[in-house]
Amino acid sequence: KNEVEQSPQNLTAQEGEFITINCSYSVGISALHWLQQHPGGGIVSLFMLSSGKKKHGRLIATINIQEKHSSLHITASHPRDSAVYICAVNSNTGNQFYFGTGTSLTVIP
Amino acid sequence: DGGITQSPKYLFRKEGQNVTLSCEQNLNHDAMYWYRQDPGQGLRLIYYSQIVNDFQKGDIAEGYSVSREKKESFPLTVTSAQKNPTAFYLCASLGTGRSGELFFGEGSRLTVL
Repeated sequence: KNEVEQSPQNLTAQEGEFITINCSYSVGISALHWLQQHPGGGIVSLFMLSSGKKKHGRLIATINIQEKHSSLHITASHPRDSAVYICAVNSNTGNQFYFGTGTSLTVIP
Repeated sequence: DGGITQSPKYLFRKEGQNVTLSCEQNLNHDAMYWYRQDPGQGLRLIYYSQIVNDFQKGDIAEGYSVSREKKESFPLTVTSAQKNPTAFYLCASLGTGRSGELFFGEGSRLTVL
C-alpha cells in the first residue's frame, strides 16, 4: 500500500476550467508539499502546507489534517499548466518523504 | 540565484561501468536526497544525508553509493552492481525550520546501452 495516494492519475481539461487534484496520505506528517514536474523533468515546489489553505496566483492548496487529505485547485486553467503534479508528505518521524505517483494534467486550448 | 545543479543532464553508459552523477547546492541546506524516478511510479529514495560526513540508505540503495564530504555536494555513483540502472535521477535538498521547502535539481537521465 502506498503511503500517499493521488487522484486522478490523468486529467484532461479545456482551457478555463476549474481543476482539482486530490491527495490522501496514511502516515503522520509534519508538512505536505505540492510539486510540479514539466516534461523536461525538473521539479519545482508549489506549496508547503502544514494546516489550512494557501493561495498563489491561480493555484490554491488546502489540507485537512484530521482527514489526512489535501487538494490542489487550479482556477481558470491554461495550457501552460500542463504538467505532472506530485503530492509529497514529510514524515513526522524524521526528514523522510513519501511521494504520490503524480497526476498528469493536460489543458487543451 | 540559489539552487541545485545536477550534471550531466543526459548520460549513456555501457554495462559494467560505474558512473557518477553530480549534485551541488548553494542553499546552505543540511539535508540532501537522491531519488530515482521510473514511469508510473512515485519517486523512490536511494540515499539521503542529514549532515556532512553522514548518509543513510534509502529504500533502493543496492547498487548505489554516495559521499558527503562537503555540505554543498552529494554525488551519487551508480555501480555495475545496479541491475536496472536506466532511469531518471533527481537530487533534492530540504530547507530547515519555517522554510522547509523541497528544492530539486533538473535531473539526470541515465541510459545503459
